[in-house]
Amino acid sequence: AQSVAQPEDQVNVAEGNPLTVKCTYSVSGNPYLFWYVQYPNRGLQFLLKYITGDNLVKGSYGFEAEFNKSQTSFHLKKPSALVSDSALYFCAVRDFNNAGNMLTFGGGTRLMVKP
Amino acid sequence: EADIYQTPRYLVIGTGKKITLECSQTMGHDKMYWYQQDPGMELHLIHYSYGVNSTEKGDLSSESTVSRIRTEHFPLTLESARPSHTSQYLCASSSRTGGVGSGTEAFFGQGTRLTVV
Repeated sequence: AQSVAQPEDQVNVAEGNPLTVKCTYSVSGNPYLFWYVQYPNRGLQFLLKYITGDNLVKGSYGFEAEFNKSQTSFHLKKPSALVSDSALYFCAVRDFNNAGNMLTFGGGTRLMVKP
Repeated sequence: EADIYQTPRYLVIGTGKKITLECSQTMGHDKMYWYQQDPGMELHLIHYSYGVNSTEKGDLSSESTVSRIRTEHFPLTLESARPSHTSQYLCASSSRTGGVGSGTEAFFGQGTRLTVV
């Protein structure tokens, strides 16, 4: 079984400040981890993924995420938030051994960046 | 830019009507998925397909059905819509997994927001 948790329903941050959106996961094997963003009235867009290799993954729009195996976390980060980053963010996990390529998504975290 | 399209974007229909939500992708992806998402809630997989003539039910029980007659097309049908079907439906596709160490992200359509009155 695989699961993912996003403990915060909403994160508020001032423009220019660093932001972190938290994600923890559970899989029986090795995880493939993803972050997606959903802007209002838009479909989900892929941000970044971790498969293997460097624990710090860089993605679109200046976002990055750090894979921490001991803490089973994959927090999304950005050094300096923009108002345009305000959106709904979803973390997703897939067990490497899951040949079906199906993702399990977290409940989403709404990021609000205030000017 | 990913090429996966869903129509209609918004749909309001009466109880008991039959509806089909369309999903098409031009990327040649083998795998396609339908997810259901209530506002502020997590996504739930309701149907998936590994290729033509392959369809499976997902994690969340759904009264909808799907078909996969062509690689690029994965429509979802509700034979008799009810208010409990009111939700957002997201279609996605991904390519076949490569070897060890590969991981393929899914590309999502813009979604269909369905309201059954």
